[in-house]
Amino acid sequence: GEDVEQSLFLSVREGDSSVINCTYTDSSSTYLYWYKQEPGAGLQLLTYIFSNMDMKQDQRLTVLLNKKDKHLSLRIADTQTGDSAIYFCAERDDSSNTGKLIFGQGTTLQVKP
Amino acid sequence: DADVTQTPRNRITKTGKRIMLECSQTKGHDRMYWYRQDPGLGLQLIYYSFDVKDINKGEISDGYSVSRQAQAKFSLSLESAIPNQTALYFCATSRGGSTDTQYFGPGTRLTVL
Repeated sequence: GEDVEQSLFLSVREGDSSVINCTYTDSSSTYLYWYKQEPGAGLQLLTYIFSNMDMKQDQRLTVLLNKKDKHLSLRIADTQTGDSAIYFCAERDDSSNTGKLIFGQGTTLQVKP
Repeated sequence: DADVTQTPRNRITKTGKRIMLECSQTKGHDRMYWYRQDPGLGLQLIYYSFDVKDINKGEISDGYSVSRQAQAKFSLSLESAIPNQTALYFCATSRGGSTDTQYFGPGTRLTVL
């Protein structure tokens, strides 16, 4: 079945770049997403990428997609303490026509001052 | 005002009680979803609805039921709550279509004693 894997924890210093990685198994997924969850809050959509793209940039966020290796990454430039949160990678399950998202376990990003 | 709201935000109940979690949206989206999040895990789909007359089971629907009262309202019920249903519950909405993107509510933290 479909599976999405992420590393569980990443710690960086304020001002450094953060790179959060994700691997997925469903090659038919047309869209892949990054969501951010701050403590006590819901999931905030950060960005998404269409499967025929290699890269998408949105201000401090850069998404890289390697479709051959089924690898997705989120780079946050100039990481700030306000970026501390859990980041979820998700792929859209296009094979079942449910529209459901398949989520990774989430990567906790800790930003040290 | 939030586009997707959930009530209650927190609930503590006892084993065997019937509980209803409510979700409302002002985004005008046809599709609505209920997910469950357990610590250290991603989100799992409980039920989804593509319109008022369409209700579908997700991957973990046992012990849950739903009602789509209107386009804007989708409620989740636990007929007889059990402790392993203690989790964070999220409602999400989407427009559908090729660039279908899900937007999440703030979540309901449910504890079953």
